[in-house]
Amino acid sequence: QQPVQSPQAVILREGEDAVINCSSSKALYSVHWYRQKHGEAPVFLMILLKGGEQKGHDKISASFNEKKQQSSLYLTASQLSYSGTYFCGTVLNAGGTSYGKLTFGQGTILTVHP
Amino acid sequence: DGGITQSPKYLFRKEGQNVTLSCEQNLNHDAMYWYRQDPGQGLRLIYYSQIVNDFQKGDIAEGYSVSREKKESFPLTVTSAQKNPTAFYLCASRIGGRGLDEQYFGPGTRLTVT
Repeated sequence: QQPVQSPQAVILREGEDAVINCSSSKALYSVHWYRQKHGEAPVFLMILLKGGEQKGHDKISASFNEKKQQSSLYLTASQLSYSGTYFCGTVLNAGGTSYGKLTFGQGTILTVHP
Repeated sequence: DGGITQSPKYLFRKEGQNVTLSCEQNLNHDAMYWYRQDPGQGLRLIYYSQIVNDFQKGDIAEGYSVSREKKESFPLTVTSAQKNPTAFYLCASRIGGRGLDEQYFGPGTRLTVT
């Protein structure tokens, strides 16, 4: 049930754009995006709900394609501070034991150079 | 300040010993989670709890046990049955199990078993 992220790694120059993708084989209720710096706790970026609601930081944008069960995170005009590992997490669109279970992908390592 | 605390930051144990990792939150969150992080494998869910005195197995629960006797506390015990316990362990919490509620992570405990 772990979502699949792509690419596994991205290298950018400052100011360049990147897209990180997250896909699931199951129907999703929500997709979460987090960024983790080495040795630190993951930090919240975005949540996207089935139906269109979303919450997140102003400088981060993302989309959720409910038909394909895919989400994409868009990083534009990248800064050095964007470097880190990006994780998507998914909550399945099912009740019962899946309720609230947030499962993460394997991560995408983003490196931004000056 | 509200947040999640995990202690200790580094923990060393001999093989065959059980060890308990502490996780405390003062955010008044209902849901709490334990994840294990290994290099290149992302965040894998061990256990999660939606309410006091109730918890569910995640994807890699074997060799671990938890309790949720108080809303603010969700300790994780790594038992001697866990074959490869050396890892970075992250505790997290959310207001509820679904919706636009982001997950907050603690600083993590790095466990080394020799």
